[in-house]
Amino acid sequence: DAGITQSPRHKVTETGTPVTLRCHQTENHRYMYWYRQDPGHGLRLIHYSYGVKDTDKGEVSDGYSVSRSKTEDFLLTLESATSSQTSVYFCATGGDSNQPQHFGDGTRLSIL
Amino acid sequence: AQRVTQPEKLLSVFKGAPVELKCNYSYSGSPELFWYVQYSRQRLQLLLRHISRESIKGFTADLNKGETSFHLKKPFAQEEDSAMYYCALNTNAGKSTFGDGTTLTVKP
Repeated sequence: DAGITQSPRHKVTETGTPVTLRCHQTENHRYMYWYRQDPGHGLRLIHYSYGVKDTDKGEVSDGYSVSRSKTEDFLLTLESATSSQTSVYFCATGGDSNQPQHFGDGTRLSIL
Repeated sequence: AQRVTQPEKLLSVFKGAPVELKCNYSYSGSPELFWYVQYSRQRLQLLLRHISRESIKGFTADLNKGETSFHLKKPFAQEEDSAMYYCALNTNAGKSTFGDGTTLTVKP
């Protein structure tokens, strides 16, 4: 499991509110990722981090921001949630290119 | 840019039948390929990696660089194999590109 914990596991909120999802790892992995999973689209990368304070955009980064102030924590923020951001969000960690990623249990986010 | 294609969104087979989940990739470098499985409402977990050339839960996958494919195969499907399967390509920048996934249903 690579010791990955996502919180909260479920959240329902209203359009326009800010939302922050947290990913915590205990394995000291360098890379951390945020994905969203939607029917018909599979798994899409939102943002990723390759070290403390080092982050970069993925393919669907609009409307999302991230922060990584410590190796073990990677936060995903929706500044002003929209209904199109209703999804299941997965955090993952990884190491070198020949290593697989390890995933958290996911967060189900519903924006009404 | 790298790309992973899983042409079948849905695949249905009967128990005991062979199953093949297709994965094609495009990448200019040396690919590191993986198969992940996601059982209903669970986290994704690693199933296979091409570098280890092992068989997990009866599944195998061979990297064919000429055809740029990494198809997942199992000779006799079981009902517990029903799940979503993702093929993924790692680049040397620490990122993975995932296919859209194939939902496998094994009917009794």
